[in-house]
Amino acid sequence: VLTQSPDSLAVSLGERATINCRSDQNIQFNSNNKNYLAWLQQRPGQPPKVLIYWASTREPGVPDRFSGSGSGTAFTLTINNVQAEDVATYYCQHWGSFGQGTKVEIK
Amino acid sequence: QLRLQESGSGPVKTSETLSLTCAVSGVSISSSDYTWGWIRQPPGKGLEWIGDYYQDGKPEYNLSLESRVTISVDMSLNQISLRLTSVTAADTAVYYCASELTGDRAGHYADWGHGILVPVSS
Repeated sequence: VLTQSPDSLAVSLGERATINCRSDQNIQFNSNNKNYLAWLQQRPGQPPKVLIYWASTREPGVPDRFSGSGSGTAFTLTINNVQAEDVATYYCQHWGSFGQGTKVEIK
Repeated sequence: QLRLQESGSGPVKTSETLSLTCAVSGVSISSSDYTWGWIRQPPGKGLEWIGDYYQDGKPEYNLSLESRVTISVDMSLNQISLRLTSVTAADTAVYYCASELTGDRAGHYADWGHGILVPVSS
């Protein structure tokens, strides 16, 4: 089970947004030390889009203001210099489990 | 470039069967590089995993839906299918098909279709 916090947050343009995702089990694989945790962005009316996988690897084309960190059971998505186009709901995913989502709005 | 496009027969009545297909282009669905999945999202709510179809032909399903769901593939049409029986209003959702890379890149859906809204009503 993945639990995100907060459920929603409002940030000013140019500020930083921080979203947390906690797993009830360790999701780091011993064989390769990779954390199989992805972050998805879902803008209103659109399908989800992968931003980050392996907890911290950005998909090609994703702006570098998006960064992921964490290991084991605790993970964080940070959005620096929040832009208007970052208004969306963000989900963490580990295999067939999704967090409940965090809605990011502009203050 | 991999593309996924969901299609279906429209609104479904309570207790009937929901049937959707996902046309895949840009890659063969028999490729060992991919696993194929279905996810749904009730209006205004979060994402719920329905199930995956693996290349060994053995699907895995969400335990909460396992008794009602079937995911299959049609290699000749390069498409994935979803059947959900005995639907209720709680099955009203946008249904997405998605692809997952195998190997080290597994664990998340890299590509998603645009989704299709399936209303269930009496």
